[in-house]
Amino acid sequence: GESVGLHLPTLSVQEGDNSIINCAYSNSASDYFIWYKQESGKGPQFIIDIRSNMDKRQGQRVTVLLNKTVKHLSLQIAATQPGDSAVYFCAENISGNNRKLIWGLGTSLAVNP
Amino acid sequence: GAVVSQHPSWVICKSGTSVKIECRSLDFQATTMFWYRQFPKQSLMLMATSNEGSKATYEQGVEKDKFLINHASLTLSTLTVTSAHPEDSSFYICSAKLAGSYNEQFFGPGTRLTVL
Repeated sequence: GESVGLHLPTLSVQEGDNSIINCAYSNSASDYFIWYKQESGKGPQFIIDIRSNMDKRQGQRVTVLLNKTVKHLSLQIAATQPGDSAVYFCAENISGNNRKLIWGLGTSLAVNP
Repeated sequence: GAVVSQHPSWVICKSGTSVKIECRSLDFQATTMFWYRQFPKQSLMLMATSNEGSKATYEQGVEKDKFLINHASLTLSTLTVTSAHPEDSSFYICSAKLAGSYNEQFFGPGTRLTVL
């Protein structure tokens, strides 16, 4: 079936380095994408979103890139900090799908001091 | 802004009892709320979509008579796990869609349910 998947289940980076978390999606009807951060024992926290009519969006220390040609989404975190350690999920909204989000499997980011 | 709360944050109950979990949007109105469950080291699994003033829409495989959802106001949705069993033990998370947004969802902190 249709799904959102992640290339890397785990990612380990050094503090201060940039992190890149990737996500592949398969539904060409997806029109909205969101990255969430989930710390252990907590609910997901909204990080950044992007509509399908854009290919890049920047926030504070984070950038989301969308490549619709290859159905690929990435989250870039600049100057990664220990507080960035968490599981990151990408989620896609399929146009007309009653506002349900399709969730990726998650990538665990570990920041080494 | 856009804060969602859940109560309780954790609950332990005996098998066969019912447990109610509340989800509130504290500073915004949410015409649509969602209920998820999450097992350890897994992604979120959507259980149902709750629309204010109407019946919830359940995902395939989710028993509506076991997981009762009520969305009586624009700021409150409740999930009641009836006749809970150990296999219902999980992390239950709600989210609320910001009214007027395309699909910007904000999540509660989750409720850890343990059924003995």
